[in-house]
Amino acid sequence: NAGVTQTPKFQVLKTGQSMTLQCAQDMNHNSMYWYRQDPGMGLRLIYYSASEGTTDKGEVPNGYNVSRLNKREFSLRLESAAPSQTSVYFCASGAGSNQPQHFGDGTRLSIL
Amino acid sequence: DQQVKQNSPSLSVQEGRISILNCDYTNSMFDYFLWYKKYPAEGPTFLISISSIKDKNEDGRFTVFLNKSAKHLSLHIVPSQPGDSAVYFCASGRMGQFYFGTGTSLTVIP
Repeated sequence: NAGVTQTPKFQVLKTGQSMTLQCAQDMNHNSMYWYRQDPGMGLRLIYYSASEGTTDKGEVPNGYNVSRLNKREFSLRLESAAPSQTSVYFCASGAGSNQPQHFGDGTRLSIL
Repeated sequence: DQQVKQNSPSLSVQEGRISILNCDYTNSMFDYFLWYKKYPAEGPTFLISISSIKDKNEDGRFTVFLNKSAKHLSLHIVPSQPGDSAVYFCASGRMGQFYFGTGTSLTVIP
């Protein structure tokens, strides 16, 4: 009964390093999303994928790239990490665009 | 500029009473609205949603009200239980692009 699985759960990077955050869902959902949550703020959409093979920018896409590898998997890549990207990253999936989203437990990323 | 606002960072309610959480949005094109509950170190959990064609949706103890003219939605929890203590986020948007409020921390006092 996994739902949405994110790996890793924690990571510390140095400025300039690259990293890929992995996300997989087992609910056969079409749509997948990446959000970041910073202290005192709500979740902000980075990128989303309405269906396999498509990706679109969200509210805060700068500094990130994504890949919808297949229907199950949606990865988020930081090519050159910056301290401003220190955050908790959440992946989510949904049956369609205007459907409830199911979230993973997050990846806590610190960039020094 | 925030498109979705939750102006009350925290709320305390006695067990058994009603909890009312409020949310305002700015974009009249938004057509889908959701409430999520979040515990520390976990992802948000979906609670209840409403589309713009309705003004009320109920699910057990949870009811969401939508006032489109005021661009306002609210979540009512009746009766409130200690297990309801968590941070509640509202989200609004359309076509898969959702904006979240900053959350309201609800404490239900036994």
